[in-house]
Amino acid sequence: GAGVSQSPSNKVTEKGKDVELRCDPISGHTALYWYRQRLGQGLEFLIYFQGNSAPDKSGLPSDRFSAERTGESVSTLTIQRTQQEDSAVYLCASSLKGNQPQHFGDGTRLSIL
Amino acid sequence: KNEVEQSPQNLTAQEGEFITINCSYSVGISALHWLQQHPGGGIVSLFMLSSGKKKHGRLIATINIQEKHSSLHITASHPRDSAVYICAVRPFWYSGGGADGLTFGKGTHLIIQP
Repeated sequence: GAGVSQSPSNKVTEKGKDVELRCDPISGHTALYWYRQRLGQGLEFLIYFQGNSAPDKSGLPSDRFSAERTGESVSTLTIQRTQQEDSAVYLCASSLKGNQPQHFGDGTRLSIL
Repeated sequence: KNEVEQSPQNLTAQEGEFITINCSYSVGISALHWLQQHPGGGIVSLFMLSSGKKKHGRLIATINIQEKHSSLHITASHPRDSAVYICAVRPFWYSGGGADGLTFGKGTHLIIQP
């Protein structure tokens, strides 16, 4: 497709389970970002990938959160031992390179019961 | 700590009115973004700017680097402009170059009534 694709679009899981969220960036985009938006709150930066450089993980809220990216393609965000406060919409964005306009996916709505 | 403040938080206006949304930030930046988030949640990038002014259709974005302030204007507003408008900045940390994650304002919820 032409845009950033995220899956699943919705995920409901029990507290304590691990979840994995997927992002397919726009082809050719070297920069990829993960953000989180809690209900009624603003967006929060989580992690940034740029090409083969070490990712900027400064926004990850705890060591239960991790992310990987294969080359300049798919990225997965993993949350281990989920907590109720992890409930949010997780958004992925990509850009041609760093410091360029970002193209956002539709997000994954994560609900922790 | 970088703070991004938007005003107003909520704005209701009549169709055709000229709309201004303001954004102030507290640290040096390398770029400022204006984003639009539709009621369904999708986010669209409207502008990225680091100086001066940009125009796209009925939308105009300006930035004053010295005053650490940006405005988003909508001319001849229309009900389809109803959305949350988000200001985000890319801080420039002089010690380490660019930190590439954006810092976001809380958004301005705009409603344009017909």
